[in-house]
Amino acid sequence: EAGVAQSPRYKIIEKRQSVAFWCNPISGHATLYWYQQILGQGPKLLIQFQNNGVVDDSQLPKDRFSAERLKGVDSTLKIQPAKLEDSAVYLCASSQTAGLISYEQYFGPGTRLTVT
Amino acid sequence: DAKTTQPPSMDCAEGRAANLPCNHSTISGNEYVYWYRQIHSQGPQYIIHGLKNNETNEMASLIITEDRKSSTLILPHATLRDTAVYYCIVRRGSSYKLIFGSGTRLLVRP
Repeated sequence: EAGVAQSPRYKIIEKRQSVAFWCNPISGHATLYWYQQILGQGPKLLIQFQNNGVVDDSQLPKDRFSAERLKGVDSTLKIQPAKLEDSAVYLCASSQTAGLISYEQYFGPGTRLTVT
Repeated sequence: DAKTTQPPSMDCAEGRAANLPCNHSTISGNEYVYWYRQIHSQGPQYIIHGLKNNETNEMASLIITEDRKSSTLILPHATLRDTAVYYCIVRRGSSYKLIFGSGTRLLVRP
């Protein structure tokens, strides 16, 4: 089975520019997650979708970050404008969900963002 | 969700068992123990999870103490490819959220 796909793998931008990341989850996985992983730390959940609805975006800096999951499949995460502290790896994950049971999450390879 | 405590780093010799400890003294009765690992430049990978009983799969074994306040992940025959950061996470069964700590950096020596 194909894994979680993300693009681009690497991105370098200047501060105050905008950037977008794309994620294609495993087929049939209703739940999609975006994580931010700063160097030396564990991943931190930014936003979680169930189909095309937002379940949890409590850790998303909404003044500059936005995410959408149109049609409940692919998702994009956008940063506008970027700050130096946004330099990190952005991970997308997906999982099957049946009622209140959430199965293990499968992660993509991530997008490494460098803001200069 | 309960917090976990893991040693920042460990090492073991190739072919030997790697035993990675995790303390979760504030775990609640409905919280599961999950283990993920992250190999350099890759996304985290699910390893195993359990509630009360010990669990084993093709990757590892999970030993949970009777009082559930700590657990140990066992890689029975570590290889160089097992060098990674290992995360122990306590998660409510009905909650989708995984809260990652800093994990244990395991180095498998040739």
